[in-house]
Amino acid sequence: DIQMTQSPSAMSASVGDKVTITCRASQGISNYLTWFQQKPGKVPKRLIYASSNLQSGVPSRFSGSGSGTEFTLTISSLQPEDFATYYCLQHSSYPFTFGPGTKVDI
Amino acid sequence: EVQLVESGGGLVQPGGSLRLSCAASGFTFTDRYIDWVRQSPGKGLEWVGRIRNKPNTYTTESAASVQDRFTISRDDSQNSVYLHMNSLKAEDTAVYFCARSTNYWDDVVDYWGQGTLVTVSS
Repeated sequence: DIQMTQSPSAMSASVGDKVTITCRASQGISNYLTWFQQKPGKVPKRLIYASSNLQSGVPSRFSGSGSGTEFTLTISSLQPEDFATYYCLQHSSYPFTFGPGTKVDI
Repeated sequence: EVQLVESGGGLVQPGGSLRLSCAASGFTFTDRYIDWVRQSPGKGLEWVGRIRNKPNTYTTESAASVQDRFTISRDDSQNSVYLHMNSLKAEDTAVYFCARSTNYWDDVVDYWGQGTLVTVSS
């Protein structure tokens, strides 16, 4: 199975900060990487698919990059509604696997 | 509007069985694969399995943690997918989500249902 790691596991940030979250795969996954945002008690929401494609309706301050084994999710200017947990998902091979999550709080 | 509505969760004893349902609407169900994802209380997300559509012969994939205990089926006439869970263990306690995917490797899990809670306890 492909193992996914995320760093950091948690971080404190302020409104207006630039935030970068890294997701690493234990083997190459091309660009088969998706990012989700989950707020407490809510359903996960897809932000980025195929590593760098912005989901329709998602603010442009979110961006994704990477290929192979290393990927990043960047929030260019953190907004109050962005405080949440972020997960990456590899879908290059079965079983699909999620990263452990990165919690972004104040 | 795309909608996925899970049902069938509840309290079940260890070793018991349960069937979860996922009712879909607002899109062409027969075009799509459906994935199941679970989240244990206070924990992260775990992919459980997938069922493909008719052109892909309704084949399924599953995580090792549920293989041989969980099966996935679908009824296109009802726009529904089912997760059949047997030999349930305490560690299967989680909110179970169904999610819509395409048949393209780079476009998965774009819409999620609200989830249904399964609690395995005596």
